[in-house]
Amino acid sequence: QKEVEQNSGPLSVPEGAIASLNCTYSDRGSQSFFWYRQYSGKSPELIMFIYSNGDKEDGRFTAQLNKASQYVSLLIRDSQPSDSATYLCAVTGTASKLTFGTGTRLQVTL
Amino acid sequence: NAGVTQTPKFQVLKTGQSMTLQCAQDMNHNSMYWYRQDPGMGLRLIYYSASEGTTDKGEVPNGYNVSRLNKREFSLRLESAAPSQTSVYFCASNQNEGSGYTFGSGTRLTVV
Repeated sequence: QKEVEQNSGPLSVPEGAIASLNCTYSDRGSQSFFWYRQYSGKSPELIMFIYSNGDKEDGRFTAQLNKASQYVSLLIRDSQPSDSATYLCAVTGTASKLTFGTGTRLQVTL
Repeated sequence: NAGVTQTPKFQVLKTGQSMTLQCAQDMNHNSMYWYRQDPGMGLRLIYYSASEGTTDKGEVPNGYNVSRLNKREFSLRLESAAPSQTSVYFCASNQNEGSGYTFGSGTRLTVV
């Protein structure tokens, strides 16, 4: 079992819709959770982080964390073509280093 | 506002050649990391340095060495390059445990 799992996609959503990206993790001791966006040929860019159970909103982005279910998600409201990218989920385990999922490719269609 | 600077951006090596990838950060971060990214494999940690003067192995350290030259600089060395080391290499840094990483722009390395 991979430590951090994501559906590779592509996830295709129409412009203006809500995109929902999901991630599960195996280490129950994980403390910090991050979402990175990576455009093709570019480096990962941090867009959200969450430490506590519940929701955290920042503009069009909402991160959701459920530690009991070992599940973290990212919602993107009013999706735009510029949101088309690969989204990486990353989790800090007991060793305090980030472990990354393989990413979900999001395509926002016109 | 440079953040994390990596050099070179592209490199082609012949099997058996050696090279050093350079990384420097200007954010006064304590921890620095080297990752490789391969299609379908995601980002995998090669080595990291939790603070100046310390280095530790990550998930895929074989064939690599690192040096934390000072608080700003963390280099990755390939002593004898192999085709399996063809990848995109990212350097990253963060201030402390549990904080997000800032990534450099990456080095695309091809070993032929």
